[in-house]
Amino acid sequence: DGGITQSPKYLFRKEGQNVTLSCEQNLNHDAMYWYRQDPGQGLRLIYYSQIVNDFQKGDIAEGYSVSREKKESFPLTVTSAQKNPTAFYLCASTRDRGNQPQHFGDGTRLSIL
Amino acid sequence: GENVEQHPSTLSVQEGDSAVIKCTYSDSASNYFPWYKQELGKRPQLIIDIRSNVGEKKDQRIAVTLNKTAKHFSLHITETQPEDSAVYFCAAKGKGGGADGLTFGKGTHLIIQP
Repeated sequence: DGGITQSPKYLFRKEGQNVTLSCEQNLNHDAMYWYRQDPGQGLRLIYYSQIVNDFQKGDIAEGYSVSREKKESFPLTVTSAQKNPTAFYLCASTRDRGNQPQHFGDGTRLSIL
Repeated sequence: GENVEQHPSTLSVQEGDSAVIKCTYSDSASNYFPWYKQELGKRPQLIIDIRSNVGEKKDQRIAVTLNKTAKHFSLHITETQPEDSAVYFCAAKGKGGGADGLTFGKGTHLIIQP
């Protein structure tokens, strides 16, 4: 069954700690995206990648980092520089960079301990 | 970059009535406009989308209209049912600001009253 898998579903971060959110897709999609969702807000773009070994900053990239070493994987690291990391994080993908629907994962909810 | 405004933030309608949600966008180069439905704690799911070369698209009880001149697009849901209750997001895809993802509105919480 094709789709996007995000893990873990819930994650807790201690002060000064970096945490990594996993996103894996078996749709053979070229483009992948990370969004952040806060209560009462729409989704905001953190980073996106159109192709392996290439990624670009979105609107709110500060305090986050990504890598795209494999087509199917696009992990997001929330660094200690991100002072307000509590949010719902959603990973998405599209077949290519054209105008196509984005397929979303089930999300990871990150909270501060 | 692109800016998307969505109204209203909350919409309550009687079951069987119609619901309309409106969005405006700022980047005239935007050319793709999807609508997503999100239930509490779940992933957004695409319900309908429209490209800038058409003015209207319909899928059963759901329709979307696009006015490129005015830079606004709307979602219309007819004969609403309890399962339509959710948060709905509009989005626009453009090339402003260097970002190549979607710019989302802040969402509309649709409540269907029985």
